[in-house]
Amino acid sequence: SAVISQKPSRDICQRGTSLTIQCQVDSQVTMMFWYRQQPGQSLTLIATANQGSEATYESGFVIDKFPISRPNLTFSTLTVSNMSPEDSSIYLCSVETGINYEQYFGPGTRLTVT
Amino acid sequence: GESVGLHLPTLSVQEGDNSIINCAYSNSASDYFIWYKQESGKGPQFIIDIRSNMDKRQGQRVTVLLNKTVKHLSLQIAATQPGDSAVYFCAEKDQKVTFGTGTKLQVIP
Repeated sequence: SAVISQKPSRDICQRGTSLTIQCQVDSQVTMMFWYRQQPGQSLTLIATANQGSEATYESGFVIDKFPISRPNLTFSTLTVSNMSPEDSSIYLCSVETGINYEQYFGPGTRLTVT
Repeated sequence: GESVGLHLPTLSVQEGDNSIINCAYSNSASDYFIWYKQESGKGPQFIIDIRSNMDKRQGQRVTVLLNKTVKHLSLQIAATQPGDSAVYFCAEKDQKVTFGTGTKLQVIP
């Protein structure tokens, strides 16, 4: 397994501002993922972040709105840019590891945009 | 359960009874399936997984059953405990992991 931490755990932000969420893993991993989970709903993949390459975004998510950095094998950031109330959600970092390439999740960052 | 937007399907089970949580998946090409448990305020926690070349796998108090013919996955929890109360998600993997809608398990003491 992997131990994953995220900062901040929660934040309340004003519309039009940006927030950068950090994800730290306790071991080196190739694949890192960012998900969004709206209240009472399932998880939606935003993008896949591999070290040394551009992030791959899913349909409906664009780099200008959700820029991602992946400077090394243990760290990644997700920025939520020019926020609106519709961006209020839980943002989760995930890594793929293990012999079956299981995915493990961080505790999430609860974002509220006012 | 069916996709119900903001209202997750709920399964209420008496403490000590067995729980069965069902999931229908959509992609015939998926070859790896996972169950996650998510407690309030936390990220999803890996419970158990199964590859498509198997139809049953057992863990500690949990069993996953896979029926590829009807694209159905189930999670069985034996002797359900209050600590099992959470939302349970199934997930399927082809090129990437896709999550199901989730089922809320309520354990009645």
